[in-house]
Amino acid sequence: QKEVEQNSGPLSVPEGAIASLNCTYSDRVSQSFFWYRQYSGKSPELIMSIYSNGDKEDGRFTAQLNKASQYVSLLIRDSQPSDSATYLCAVNRGGSYIPTFGRGTSLIVHP
Amino acid sequence: NAGVTQTPKFQVLKTGQSMTLQCAQDMNHNSMYWYRQDPGMGLRLIYYSASEGTTDKGEVPNGYNVSRLNKREFSLRLESAAPSQTSVYFCASTPETGGPDTQYFGPGTRLTVL
Repeated sequence: QKEVEQNSGPLSVPEGAIASLNCTYSDRVSQSFFWYRQYSGKSPELIMSIYSNGDKEDGRFTAQLNKASQYVSLLIRDSQPSDSATYLCAVNRGGSYIPTFGRGTSLIVHP
Repeated sequence: NAGVTQTPKFQVLKTGQSMTLQCAQDMNHNSMYWYRQDPGMGLRLIYYSASEGTTDKGEVPNGYNVSRLNKREFSLRLESAAPSQTSVYFCASTPETGGPDTQYFGPGTRLTVL
């Protein structure tokens, strides 16, 4: 079982809707959680990091972390076609600078 | 400030040939990483270097070697390329120990081994 699990998708949502991406992890000592966006043929780029339980908002993006249930999610409000990409969840153990990546969820936002 | 740069962008090799992928960062980061990305497999860590002069194996090190030439540069060498090494290779770096542990990625090298 991979340590960081994501539904590969594709997740298809209409323009203007909320896209919800989920990620579960198995290592209970994980302390840092990241969402990266990767456009086709490009490299991953960080869009959100979260370290504490609860919600963290940045513009149209909200990351949610629940350490007790070992999941982290990413909500994208008012989804745009330009949000169509693969979203990678990454998790670091405490004191480690070696993240474990999920396999990514493909998001398609259709007009 | 170029961030993380990689050369070459594309490469085609024949089985058994060798090559070195180059990576450099100008952000004064301590840690550097090499990943490979295959369809449906996500990012898998090949090797990493926590600081200048140190290197450690990641999840999939077989068939690769690395050199941390100095703080800026971290190279990945394929001594005898195999078709199973056809992949996209990303170099990444992380800021100083104790600082933010987010990763900054280079643009990638697309390698095909025939």
